[in-house]
Amino acid sequence: GDSVTQMEGPVTLSEEAFLTINCTYTATGYPSLFWYVQYPGEGLQLLLKATKADDKGSNKGFEATYRKETTSFHLEKGSVQVSDSAVYFCALRQAGTALIFGKGTTLSVSS
Amino acid sequence: TAGITQAPTSQILAAGRSMTLRCTQDMRHNAMYWYRQDLGLGLRLIHYSNTAGTTGKGEVPDGYSVSRANTDDFPLTLASAVPSQTSVYFCASSDELGSDTQYFGPGTRLTVL
Repeated sequence: GDSVTQMEGPVTLSEEAFLTINCTYTATGYPSLFWYVQYPGEGLQLLLKATKADDKGSNKGFEATYRKETTSFHLEKGSVQVSDSAVYFCALRQAGTALIFGKGTTLSVSS
Repeated sequence: TAGITQAPTSQILAAGRSMTLRCTQDMRHNAMYWYRQDLGLGLRLIHYSNTAGTTGKGEVPDGYSVSRANTDDFPLTLASAVPSQTSVYFCASSDELGSDTQYFGPGTRLTVL
């Protein structure tokens, strides 16, 4: 079945460092891909998405590009802030179905 | 703006007891979902509903039941709780099943002793 694999954390960075969180997927066809973020004590929120190959999703300085050839959707940010500390989930969705999530990666940013 | 509300916020429950987790949304979304979040396992889908009156099983449905009597409410029931059901439970909704954006509630932390 379809699945999502993301790098294990925690990821610990200093403020203004460059962030990459790797995500790869296994799926038939052309799923939509997502990054969700969960801030401490809250539910998940959609961060960005891409619905077809080579699309780039972006929001709040975060970016991810849908790479069909490598089945990847890595999350990047050029300069992280303390407020970016959260758990990040990569997810995929086939048409008409619910989201399938990766296990989550905890990011901790210190000043 | 309310969005999705869940109750209770947290609960400690004795094994063998029953419990209903409540979820209400005010966005008139057709689809609703229940997930459990466990450390190292991420979010796993328990049950879903694509419209009032219909429900479906997710990845980990055993020990849980749901109902969807109307559009707004999607309660999750544990008939006889076991310690392995200790988790954080999130309710979510989306315009339709498979819509790009799911909106999540704040979660219910359940501990079964």
